[in-house]
Amino acid sequence: QSALTQPASVSGSPGQSITISCTGSSSDVGSYNLVSWYQQYPGKAPKLLIFEGSKRPSGVSYRFSGSKSGNTAFLTVSGLQAEDEADYYCCSYGGSFTPYVFGTGTKVTVL
Amino acid sequence: EVQLVESGGGLVQPGGSLRLSCAASGFTFSSYEMSWVRQAPGKGLDWVSYISGNSRTIYYADSVKGRLTISRDNAENSLYLQMTSLRAEDTAVYYCVRGYGDYFLDSWGQGTLVTVSS
Repeated sequence: QSALTQPASVSGSPGQSITISCTGSSSDVGSYNLVSWYQQYPGKAPKLLIFEGSKRPSGVSYRFSGSKSGNTAFLTVSGLQAEDEADYYCCSYGGSFTPYVFGTGTKVTVL
Repeated sequence: EVQLVESGGGLVQPGGSLRLSCAASGFTFSSYEMSWVRQAPGKGLDWVSYISGNSRTIYYADSVKGRLTISRDNAENSLYLQMTSLRAEDTAVYYCVRGYGDYFLDSWGQGTLVTVSS
């Protein structure tokens, strides 16, 4: 299984919305509604933001939303805030024997 | 509160072995799938291995098959990763992670650093 493809970096000004793409294939993202997204600050463990494509765990801000079209999943961060500056990773179920396929990661910069 | 605390990382020579442990608390450990996920310095996340709650189902990434062995002790609420024939490319922070079904990873430990170098 190859890693899912994400843009290396995305930036935006406070208050704006940004969208991070996560492109896989018909073997992973395209076949299952099982994409999750994680936020990671430098030196810290990742934190679950979105699961099953668009669901938010308790405690995660409504400003984070997930969607999918074909083989590509998306994470949208609305009302960008300074605290959103972090690395973001998508992850998809990859089928039997490969439960988790991660994306390459995207660094979000708040201008 | 869910807690996952890894231990056992350190410096090891190429070809050497190491055993990572993860102590779990705050949930019914035997009811959850567990995984190890690693992150090389400055790089992205990389799933390493998965084990079901009853240990009957185990998966490995191709890059570690035959060298790393995942196991768990539900009586001790512990997860393990036995690492052998270590290579420089195994250098990474190793995270112990709780899974929900096979579908997402909802709780992460703080990680333990493994450095493979002579």
